[in-house]
Amino acid sequence: ETGVTQSPTHLIKTRGQQVTLRCSSQSGHNTVSWYQQALGQGPQFIFQYYREEENGRGNFPPRFSGLQFPNYSSELNVNALELDDSALYLCASSMDSPYEQYFGPGTRLTVT
Amino acid sequence: AQSVTQLGSHVSVSEGALVLLRCNYSSSVPPYLFWYVQYPNQGLQLLLKYTTGATLVKGINGFEAEFKKSETSFHLTKPSAHMSDAAEYFCAVSTPGAAGGTSYGKLTFGQGTILTVHP
Repeated sequence: ETGVTQSPTHLIKTRGQQVTLRCSSQSGHNTVSWYQQALGQGPQFIFQYYREEENGRGNFPPRFSGLQFPNYSSELNVNALELDDSALYLCASSMDSPYEQYFGPGTRLTVT
Repeated sequence: AQSVTQLGSHVSVSEGALVLLRCNYSSSVPPYLFWYVQYPNQGLQLLLKYTTGATLVKGINGFEAEFKKSETSFHLTKPSAHMSDAAEYFCAVSTPGAAGGTSYGKLTFGQGTILTVHP
């Protein structure tokens, strides 16, 4: 059974650019949640996708958007990057249970 | 709204000593509680969880935690620290709901506690 994978591992972007991060869910999982973890902080909930629909959103601006595909993989898109967007972005997948969320290794985004 | 407070951003213990990491939560409904561990440059690994039932829960690597409703606490303990336990630990809370419900299983994390283990 393949775990949750994320790509790329690291990414450097310039302020104002756009970025797409990818997450491949654990096999059979229909729910994906994205979290932002700034340096020295706990992860913050960005949004969740359930069966290809956005299913709740945290306190993040609309320039943070996402998609979930029929195979339940997911993308996180961030437009107009700001320096404060520099963080580790984590995705977590689950299947009809909130108790068993499996996290990927994360994508480290640096905005200069 | 729910929140988590982890007391102590850094905890240092000697190898073989008791590990105690403190977590207090706030939730308007009975919570589900979790402890995750994060090693450098890695994602989060679930250590243990409390949903319902027995308030003392055991997890991986010899860790356990006790849900105390009256104290709104969920402290993590391990009787004897090992060098490999050095990592950052996060307490998290979520509220139950139905699959497909808004932000189903959304986790609210504490700020984290970095555990250092000295030889």
